[in-house]
Amino acid sequence: GESVGLHLPTLSVQEGDNSIINCAYSNSASDYFIWYKQESGKGPQFIIDIRSNMDKRQGQRVTVLLNKTVKHLSLQIAATQPGDSAVYFCAESHTGGFKTIFGAGTRLFVKA
Amino acid sequence: DVKVTQSSRYLVKRTGEKVFLECVQDMDHENMFWYRQDPGLGLRLIYFSYDVKMKEKGDIPEGYSVSREKKERFSLILESASTNQTSMYLCASYQVNQPQHFGDGTRLSIL
Repeated sequence: GESVGLHLPTLSVQEGDNSIINCAYSNSASDYFIWYKQESGKGPQFIIDIRSNMDKRQGQRVTVLLNKTVKHLSLQIAATQPGDSAVYFCAESHTGGFKTIFGAGTRLFVKA
Repeated sequence: DVKVTQSSRYLVKRTGEKVFLECVQDMDHENMFWYRQDPGLGLRLIYFSYDVKMKEKGDIPEGYSVSREKKERFSLILESASTNQTSMYLCASYQVNQPQHFGDGTRLSIL
């Protein structure tokens, strides 16, 4: 069935380094992808999204890359800070659809 | 900014009780969702609604029902709570082709 998965359940990085969180998706019909951040005790918070007509999109300190050929999505966080420590989810959906499929999440630890 | 508000952050109920979880959004979104979140299982869709009085089953609707009497409010009902319904419950709303906006969740314990 459809699934969105993450390659690593946890990622530990040094403060100031760049972080890369990866995600694989399986539904070729998906054309809208989202990254969420979930801090302890809070709901998922939207970070950045990308549509399938793009392969890269940049936000503030974050970049999302989309490789449709291998159905791979990544989130890059520049100059990782302690406040970036959280669980990060990727999600996929398709235009006009109601349902979003979420990955299981990657926990990011930032070491001071 | 979109605000999705869940009425309770923590809730403790007993087996067999009828439990109501309330969710309100302030952005006039058509679509609202209820998920449960369990360690290792990610977010699983229970029910969603794409309009007032409209509802659709998600992936795990058994033991739950929903109510959408007003556009801004979407209620999740546990008809007869059981211990396997102990979980984090998340409500979300969105407009199609936009990201979902989540509440901060209700951590429900069934004793």
